Amino acid sequence: NAGVTQTPKFQVLKTGQSMTLQCAQDMNHEYMSWYRQDPGMGLRLIHYSVGAGITDQGEVPNGYNVSRSTTEDFPLRLLSAAPSQTSVYFCASRATGSQETQYFGPGTRLLVL
Amino acid sequence: AQKVTQAQTEISVVEKEDVTLDCVYETRDTTYYLFWYKQPPSGELVFLIRRNSFDEQNEISGRYSWNFQKSTSSFNFTITASQVVDSAVYFCALHTGGFKTIFGAGTRLFVKA
Repeated sequence: NAGVTQTPKFQVLKTGQSMTLQCAQDMNHEYMSWYRQDPGMGLRLIHYSVGAGITDQGEVPNGYNVSRSTTEDFPLRLLSAAPSQTSVYFCASRATGSQETQYFGPGTRLLVL
Repeated sequence: AQKVTQAQTEISVVEKEDVTLDCVYETRDTTYYLFWYKQPPSGELVFLIRRNSFDEQNEISGRYSWNFQKSTSSFNFTITASQVVDSAVYFCALHTGGFKTIFGAGTRLFVKA
């Protein structure tokens, strides 16, 4: 199993550009989520999904869109990049059930100029 | 409100010293789960341990041990005989019955040779 994969590993954008961060998992997990990590702030939830076709907002959703057409994939779209979105983005997945552990992808480092 | 506090921003120790990383959580739920993750300099997030609210037994895994005390809402992590490879950022996280996991801000541990 590859676990949770993310692409790209690193991306530089100009302000106003759009892009999609890809996330895929091969563990048949229903629950997937996107976090951003900023210095001194831990991980903050952007959006999450509890299954194909179902998504919801997390703590910091503004400026991001998600969709979940399949169990495996959960892309994160930046609509119009801003310097405040410079961050490291992590995708995670877990099986259904509050006791289940989240497994994280390797992260995408995004720099918005 | 749910909250995780890791009051220690950075800790520096010399190799072979013992070190304890503090984690204090807040929740009104009676069923919840606590996690510790390690983020080494390479950037990935590595799951270390999960503990549910009904199990206050301490756990030891090699040089790592965890002390869970509901009376003080704490879930502290101790590394015995620290090594340079333990240098990382460590995150404590709280998950309750919903779909959101709350992370602390993290503690950066430096272990000097």
